[in-house]
Amino acid sequence: AQTVTQSQPEMSVQEAETVTLSCTYDTSENNYYLFWYKQPPSRQMILVIRQEAYKQQNATENRFSVNFQKAAKSFSLKISDSQLGDTAMYFCAFRTYKYIFGTGTRLKVLA
Amino acid sequence: DVKVTQSSRYLVKRTGEKVFLECVQDMDHENMFWYRQDPGLGLRLIYFSYDVKMKEKGDIPEGYSVSREKKERFSLILESASTNQTSMYLCASSLGASEGPQHFGDGTRLSIL
Repeated sequence: AQTVTQSQPEMSVQEAETVTLSCTYDTSENNYYLFWYKQPPSRQMILVIRQEAYKQQNATENRFSVNFQKAAKSFSLKISDSQLGDTAMYFCAFRTYKYIFGTGTRLKVLA
Repeated sequence: DVKVTQSSRYLVKRTGEKVFLECVQDMDHENMFWYRQDPGLGLRLIYFSYDVKMKEKGDIPEGYSVSREKKERFSLILESASTNQTSMYLCASSLGASEGPQHFGDGTRLSIL
């Protein structure tokens, strides 16, 4: 069975600091896609960053970057220079034929 | 920008009622999805559709059905609502290719009394 595990239910970080959210997954597939989504309080879920499994280079999107370790099946999200607007629930997701989501990490950025 | 619109933001229904949740997307996406979101459980896939009139069961289809008569519209139906179906329901759409990210609606918070 394919699974996605986010082992940190809640995290907090001081404004301007760096935080890393962890995600591991399990699959026997070789070709797949990984995503991080952000869901701010009472707002719509939006895509943060995407990684193709066949690409060795880690994806980067402004202050957001991933550390993709295919052999370890690990896909962590690093947020640099954290801002108050980064406060949200973050979901890691994995896709082959269908999407599988983790249980989420609630991140709070402290002023 | 892709827009996924869910018909209601909040909905209160009674047990035994037949409940319809509607979702419309405006970007000609092939795939559409229905999830329920519960604290500590993340998003769980109820049903998805990869084409008009096509549907596939997700991980928790029991008690639900879906309809996709037009490409832009995907309806979730609770045949006989029960209290354990009280939840946040999210609709999403994506292009057919596997790398396409999902675009989500605002969600419907459904309470079954």
